[in-house]
Amino acid sequence: DIQMTQSPSSLSTSVGDRVTITCRASRSISTYLNWYQQKPGKAPNLLIYGASTLQGGVPSRFSAYGSGTDFTLTISNLQPEDFATYFCQQSYSTPYTFGQGTKVDIK
Amino acid sequence: QVQLQESGPGLVKPSATLSLTCTVSGDSMTTYYWSWIRQSPGKGLEWIGNIYYSGSTNYNPSLERRVTMTIDTSKNQFSLRLRSVTTADTAVYYCARDRDLFYFENWGRGILVTVSS
Repeated sequence: DIQMTQSPSSLSTSVGDRVTITCRASRSISTYLNWYQQKPGKAPNLLIYGASTLQGGVPSRFSAYGSGTDFTLTISNLQPEDFATYFCQQSYSTPYTFGQGTKVDIK
Repeated sequence: QVQLQESGPGLVKPSATLSLTCTVSGDSMTTYYWSWIRQSPGKGLEWIGNIYYSGSTNYNPSLERRVTMTIDTSKNQFSLRLRSVTTADTAVYYCARDRDLFYFENWGRGILVTVSS
């Protein structure tokens, strides 16, 4: 299985800040990397697919890039609704696997 | 806009079989893969497997011996059966629609299944 490792596991930040989350794959996954946002009691919500393509309806303050084994998700000008947990997921090969999550909360 | 809804028992006894159904509305099931994903505090998000509209399946090897997925496109439903459950199978179970690059674009709300006697 391809292991996905996110860092940090949590971070405290403020409205208006810029946040960067990293995701590393245990082997190359090209650009088969997707990002999700999850709020408490809700299902994950797709933000970005194919490493850098913004899902429709997702604000442009979310951006992502990467290929191979190293990927980043950046949230610029953090808004109150962005406080959530973020997961990466590889879709390069089965079994599809997720990172352990990064919780973004209010400082 | 496609919508998915999980249904099934919220409590299952150890060694029994967990059975869940996902009902799809708002779009056809054809030409898509459909996944089951679970989430527990201990193991995070875990992909269980998927099923194509034609009925072909892919299972997570960690669960393959105990999992069966079926699909009924005439009813707009697909199902999960997980045999010989233990407390480690306690989780929120989600159904989801896979897109071209096997990301999960649409999710159900999730159903908490607790394995307990």
